[in-house]
Amino acid sequence: DAKTTQPPSMDCAEGRAANLPCNHSTISGNEYVYWYRQIHSQGPQYIIHGLKNNETNEMASLIITEDRKSSTLILPHATLRDTAVYYCIVRVARNGNQFYFGTGTSLTVIP
Amino acid sequence: GAGVSQSPSNKVTEKGKDVELRCDPISGHTALYWYRQSLGQGLEFLIYFQGNSAPDKSGLPSDRFSAERTGGSVSTLTIQRTQQEDSAVYLCASSFPGTRGGEQFFGPGTRLTVL
Repeated sequence: DAKTTQPPSMDCAEGRAANLPCNHSTISGNEYVYWYRQIHSQGPQYIIHGLKNNETNEMASLIITEDRKSSTLILPHATLRDTAVYYCIVRVARNGNQFYFGTGTSLTVIP
Repeated sequence: GAGVSQSPSNKVTEKGKDVELRCDPISGHTALYWYRQSLGQGLEFLIYFQGNSAPDKSGLPSDRFSAERTGGSVSTLTIQRTQQEDSAVYLCASSFPGTRGGEQFFGPGTRLTVL
C-alpha cells in the first residue's frame, strides 16, 4: 500500500535540473512526504521531507502543491552520481515511523 | 561503527534450511526496521521495533519469518524452511524518531539466495 504514484523512469542531462514528480492524492492531513534514493547495490538514503511548505536542503528541493495531492523533487544540477532509484513515500501515521516504499522512479543522468 | 551493519553480506542456502540474518543498528537509535527487496522491486516492509514496545509484525509474509531484538540493540531476522521465493536482499534500518522526521539509516543489506 504505497499510496504514491511515480513514473517508472526518467532521463536528465548532466548539469540540468532533474524534476521528479509524485502523486499522492489520498494523503491525509497529518502525513508527511518523504523522498529517499537508492543507488545501485546500496541501501536507500534519505533526501528530504515536508508537510505542506516547500523545503530545501543541501541535496534537493521539495515542492508540494497547495492541495498536497502531488509533489516534485528537484535536483538543481544533476550529476552522474545522482543516477539512482528515487522513492516518494507518504508516512503512515501508525505506531511510529513506518514507511512504505513503492517501486520509485529510476533516474538516469546522461553525460 | 558509524553506520548500520548487517551480516552476512551474502548467504546462499538450500531450500528447506533455516537462516539467520543479523543487524547492528546505530548506537542510540531506538527504532529498527527490516525490509526485503526482490530483484527489480521496491522495498517491502517486514517488521518494526520501537524501544521496549511490542514489535509491529504486520509485514511478515508468513509464520516462517520471525525477528527479535535483544537488549534494544542487535536484531536477528530468522527465516525457517526457506523457499526459493525468499531470495531477496534483506535490508535493515534504524532511526531515532523525531530526528529529521525519523530519518531511517539503512545498512548495506544481506543478499539471500535460496537454491
